[in-house]
Amino acid sequence: DVKVTQSSRYLVKRTGEKVFLECVQDMDHENMFWYRQDPGLGLRLIYFSYDVKMKEKGDIPEGYSVSREKKERFSLILESASTNQTSMYLCASSFDRMGIGNTIYFGEGSWLTVV
Amino acid sequence: AQKITQTQPGMFVQEKEAVTLDCTYDTSDPSYGLFWYKQPSSGEMIFLIYQGSYDQQNATEGRYSLNFQKARKSANLVISASQLGDSAMYFCAMSFRTGTASKLTFGTGTRLQVTL
Repeated sequence: DVKVTQSSRYLVKRTGEKVFLECVQDMDHENMFWYRQDPGLGLRLIYFSYDVKMKEKGDIPEGYSVSREKKERFSLILESASTNQTSMYLCASSFDRMGIGNTIYFGEGSWLTVV
Repeated sequence: AQKITQTQPGMFVQEKEAVTLDCTYDTSDPSYGLFWYKQPSSGEMIFLIYQGSYDQQNATEGRYSLNFQKARKSANLVISASQLGDSAMYFCAMSFRTGTASKLTFGTGTRLQVTL
Protein backbone atom coordinates (compact mmCIF):
# COMPACT_ATOMS: atom_id res chain seq x y z
CA ASP A 1 0.00 0.00 0.00
CA VAL A 2 1.08 3.55 -0.70
CA LYS A 3 1.95 5.42 2.42
CA VAL A 4 2.23 9.17 2.81
CA THR A 5 3.54 10.07 6.23
CA GLN A 6 3.39 13.49 7.79
CA SER A 7 5.85 13.92 10.61
CA SER A 8 3.65 15.80 13.05
CA ARG A 9 -0.03 15.30 13.68
CA TYR A 10 -0.54 18.21 16.06
CA LEU A 11 1.66 21.26 16.54
CA VAL A 12 1.37 24.45 18.55
CA LYS A 13 3.74 27.23 17.56
CA ARG A 14 4.23 30.84 18.52
CA THR A 15 3.76 33.78 16.18
CA GLY A 16 6.99 34.52 14.34
CA GLU A 17 8.43 31.02 14.72
CA LYS A 18 9.79 29.15 11.73
CA VAL A 19 7.77 25.98 11.22
CA PHE A 20 8.68 22.88 9.23
CA LEU A 21 6.10 20.34 8.15
CA GLU A 22 7.64 17.19 6.74
CA CYS A 23 6.10 14.68 4.38
CA VAL A 24 7.49 11.39 3.10
CA GLN A 25 6.03 9.00 0.53
CA ASP A 26 7.26 5.49 -0.03
CA MET A 27 6.11 4.71 -3.58
CA ASP A 28 8.49 6.66 -5.81
CA HIS A 29 5.79 9.14 -6.81
CA GLU A 30 6.82 12.05 -8.99
CA ASN A 31 4.25 14.59 -7.82
CA MET A 32 3.90 15.84 -4.29
CA PHE A 33 1.51 18.47 -3.00
CA TRP A 34 0.80 20.58 0.05
CA TYR A 35 -2.78 21.62 0.69
CA ARG A 36 -4.35 23.68 3.41
CA GLN A 37 -7.87 22.83 4.62
CA ASP A 38 -10.16 25.33 6.31
CA PRO A 39 -13.87 25.01 7.12
CA GLY A 40 -16.04 26.25 4.27
CA LEU A 41 -13.06 26.68 1.96
CA GLY A 42 -12.23 23.08 1.16
CA LEU A 43 -8.68 22.15 0.24
CA ARG A 44 -6.52 24.83 -1.30
CA LEU A 45 -3.22 24.09 -3.01
CA ILE A 46 -0.22 25.85 -1.51
CA TYR A 47 2.67 24.40 -3.53
CA PHE A 48 3.41 21.34 -5.55
CA SER A 49 6.51 19.64 -6.87
CA TYR A 50 6.91 17.34 -9.89
CA ASP A 51 10.58 16.48 -9.44
CA VAL A 52 13.51 16.90 -7.09
CA LYS A 53 14.28 20.60 -6.61
CA MET A 54 11.32 21.54 -8.87
CA LYS A 55 8.41 23.39 -7.35
CA GLU A 56 5.48 25.48 -8.47
CA LYS A 57 3.16 27.81 -6.65
CA GLY A 58 -0.39 26.75 -6.08
CA ASP A 59 -3.33 28.99 -5.33
CA ILE A 60 -2.22 30.34 -1.92
CA PRO A 61 1.61 30.33 -1.72
CA GLU A 62 2.01 33.58 0.23
CA GLY A 63 3.75 33.06 3.56
CA TYR A 64 4.96 29.56 2.63
CA SER A 65 7.94 27.98 0.95
CA VAL A 66 8.79 24.36 0.13
CA SER A 67 11.78 22.14 -0.32
CA ARG A 68 12.24 18.90 -2.20
CA GLU A 69 15.81 17.71 -1.95
CA LYS A 70 14.94 14.01 -2.29
CA LYS A 71 12.20 12.45 -4.36
CA GLU A 72 10.42 10.92 -1.40
CA ARG A 73 10.42 13.98 0.84
CA PHE A 74 8.54 17.27 0.49
CA SER A 75 8.73 19.90 3.21
CA LEU A 76 6.48 22.87 3.83
CA ILE A 77 8.07 25.84 5.56
CA LEU A 78 6.35 28.71 7.30
CA GLU A 79 9.13 31.28 7.50
CA SER A 80 7.40 33.35 10.18
CA ALA A 81 4.22 31.75 11.44
CA SER A 82 1.16 33.92 11.87
CA THR A 83 -2.18 33.24 13.50
CA ASN A 84 -3.95 33.19 10.14
CA GLN A 85 -1.89 30.13 9.25
CA THR A 86 -3.65 28.11 11.93
CA SER A 87 -5.13 25.31 9.86
CA MET A 88 -4.94 21.68 8.87
CA TYR A 89 -2.21 20.90 6.36
CA LEU A 90 -2.43 17.89 4.09
CA CYS A 91 0.41 16.41 2.08
CA ALA A 92 -0.36 14.29 -0.97
CA SER A 93 1.43 12.47 -3.74
CA SER A 94 0.62 10.96 -7.14
CA PHE A 95 2.41 8.59 -9.44
CA ASP A 96 3.40 10.34 -12.62
CA ARG A 97 3.92 13.91 -13.51
CA MET A 98 1.27 14.41 -16.20
CA GLY A 99 -1.26 11.70 -15.38
CA ILE A 100 -4.75 13.02 -14.73
CA GLY A 101 -6.16 9.63 -13.77
CA ASN A 102 -3.69 8.86 -11.03
CA THR A 103 -5.13 8.48 -7.58
CA ILE A 104 -3.84 11.14 -5.24
CA TYR A 105 -2.74 9.67 -1.90
CA PHE A 106 -2.95 11.78 1.21
CA GLY A 107 -1.21 11.84 4.54
CA GLU A 108 -3.19 11.96 7.76
CA GLY A 109 -2.88 15.72 8.08
CA SER A 110 -1.06 18.07 10.42
CA TRP A 111 -3.12 20.30 12.68
CA LEU A 112 -1.16 23.50 13.22
CA THR A 113 -2.16 26.10 15.81
CA VAL A 114 -0.27 29.38 15.87
CA VAL A 115 -0.68 31.35 19.10
CA ALA B 1 -9.52 28.55 -14.89
CA GLN B 2 -10.59 25.23 -13.46
CA LYS B 3 -13.21 25.35 -10.73
CA ILE B 4 -15.23 22.87 -8.72
CA THR B 5 -18.50 23.88 -7.08
CA GLN B 6 -20.30 21.98 -4.34
CA THR B 7 -23.44 23.86 -3.40
CA GLN B 8 -24.60 21.68 -0.50
CA PRO B 9 -22.71 22.50 2.68
CA GLY B 10 -24.64 19.85 4.60
CA MET B 11 -26.97 16.94 3.86
CA PHE B 12 -28.99 14.53 5.97
CA VAL B 13 -30.05 11.06 4.86
CA GLN B 14 -31.72 8.20 6.65
CA GLU B 15 -29.94 4.92 6.99
CA LYS B 16 -30.54 2.58 4.01
CA GLU B 17 -31.70 5.42 1.79
CA ALA B 18 -29.82 6.67 -1.29
CA VAL B 19 -28.32 10.15 -1.39
CA THR B 20 -26.90 12.34 -4.16
CA LEU B 21 -24.13 14.82 -3.51
CA ASP B 22 -23.87 17.52 -6.15
CA CYS B 23 -20.75 18.64 -7.95
CA THR B 24 -20.36 20.91 -10.95
CA TYR B 25 -17.11 21.86 -12.60
CA ASP B 26 -15.76 24.37 -15.03
CA THR B 27 -12.92 23.81 -17.45
CA SER B 28 -12.15 24.43 -21.08
CA ASP B 29 -9.73 21.51 -21.28
CA PRO B 30 -11.05 18.44 -23.09
CA SER B 31 -8.97 16.11 -20.92
CA TYR B 32 -9.57 16.00 -17.18
CA GLY B 33 -10.45 13.64 -14.37
CA LEU B 34 -13.08 13.84 -11.66
CA PHE B 35 -12.64 12.37 -8.20
CA TRP B 36 -14.64 11.99 -5.03
CA TYR B 37 -12.96 11.72 -1.65
CA LYS B 38 -14.42 10.98 1.78
CA GLN B 39 -13.00 12.59 4.90
CA PRO B 40 -14.18 11.14 8.24
CA SER B 41 -13.74 13.11 11.43
CA SER B 42 -10.28 11.57 11.85
CA GLY B 43 -9.09 13.75 8.97
CA GLU B 44 -7.78 11.15 6.52
CA MET B 45 -8.78 11.53 2.88
CA ILE B 46 -10.19 8.33 1.40
CA PHE B 47 -10.41 7.92 -2.38
CA LEU B 48 -13.88 6.77 -3.44
CA ILE B 49 -14.30 6.94 -7.19
CA TYR B 50 -12.82 8.33 -10.42
CA GLN B 51 -14.26 9.33 -13.81
CA GLY B 52 -12.19 10.32 -16.81
CA SER B 53 -13.52 12.96 -19.19
CA TYR B 54 -13.47 10.51 -22.10
CA ASP B 55 -15.09 7.66 -20.22
CA GLN B 56 -18.41 6.75 -21.80
CA GLN B 57 -19.81 4.83 -18.87
CA ASN B 58 -20.52 6.22 -15.42
CA ALA B 59 -18.02 4.96 -12.86
CA THR B 60 -19.21 2.66 -10.08
CA GLU B 61 -17.42 1.31 -7.01
CA GLY B 62 -19.60 -0.80 -4.76
CA ARG B 63 -22.27 1.47 -3.23
CA TYR B 64 -20.78 4.54 -4.91
CA SER B 65 -21.59 5.68 -8.40
CA LEU B 66 -20.69 8.84 -10.24
CA ASN B 67 -23.44 10.39 -12.34
CA PHE B 68 -21.34 12.05 -15.07
CA GLN B 69 -23.21 14.51 -17.29
CA LYS B 70 -20.55 16.03 -19.49
CA ALA B 71 -22.72 18.56 -21.29
CA ARG B 72 -23.95 19.90 -17.95
CA LYS B 73 -20.47 19.70 -16.47
CA SER B 74 -21.74 17.82 -13.46
CA ALA B 75 -20.28 14.85 -11.60
CA ASN B 76 -22.67 13.97 -8.82
CA LEU B 77 -21.87 11.22 -6.32
CA VAL B 78 -24.64 8.76 -5.55
CA ILE B 79 -24.38 6.65 -2.42
CA SER B 80 -26.86 3.81 -2.29
CA ALA B 81 -28.10 2.16 0.91
CA SER B 82 -26.50 4.70 3.26
CA GLN B 83 -24.81 3.43 6.39
CA LEU B 84 -23.99 5.22 9.63
CA GLY B 85 -20.32 4.96 8.71
CA ASP B 86 -20.95 7.10 5.65
CA SER B 87 -21.26 10.17 7.88
CA ALA B 88 -18.31 12.30 6.81
CA MET B 89 -17.20 15.22 4.69
CA TYR B 90 -17.21 14.54 0.95
CA PHE B 91 -15.05 16.40 -1.54
CA CYS B 92 -15.35 16.55 -5.29
CA ALA B 93 -12.10 17.24 -7.15
CA MET B 94 -10.85 17.68 -10.69
CA SER B 95 -7.46 16.81 -12.09
CA PHE B 96 -6.06 18.70 -15.03
CA ARG B 97 -2.75 19.30 -16.71
CA THR B 98 -0.80 22.52 -16.49
CA GLY B 99 2.26 23.08 -18.65
CA THR B 100 4.45 21.16 -16.23
CA ALA B 101 2.38 18.65 -14.28
CA SER B 102 -1.07 17.46 -13.35
CA LYS B 103 -2.85 19.12 -10.44
CA LEU B 104 -5.97 18.52 -8.41
CA THR B 105 -8.43 21.23 -7.45
CA PHE B 106 -11.13 20.67 -4.83
CA GLY B 107 -14.61 21.89 -4.05
CA THR B 108 -15.59 23.20 -0.64
CA GLY B 109 -17.11 19.91 0.45
CA THR B 110 -20.46 18.55 1.63
CA ARG B 111 -20.93 17.24 5.15
CA LEU B 112 -23.17 14.18 5.09
CA GLN B 113 -24.95 13.01 8.21
CA VAL B 114 -26.62 9.60 8.17
CA THR B 115 -29.43 9.21 10.71
CA LEU B 116 -31.26 6.19 12.09
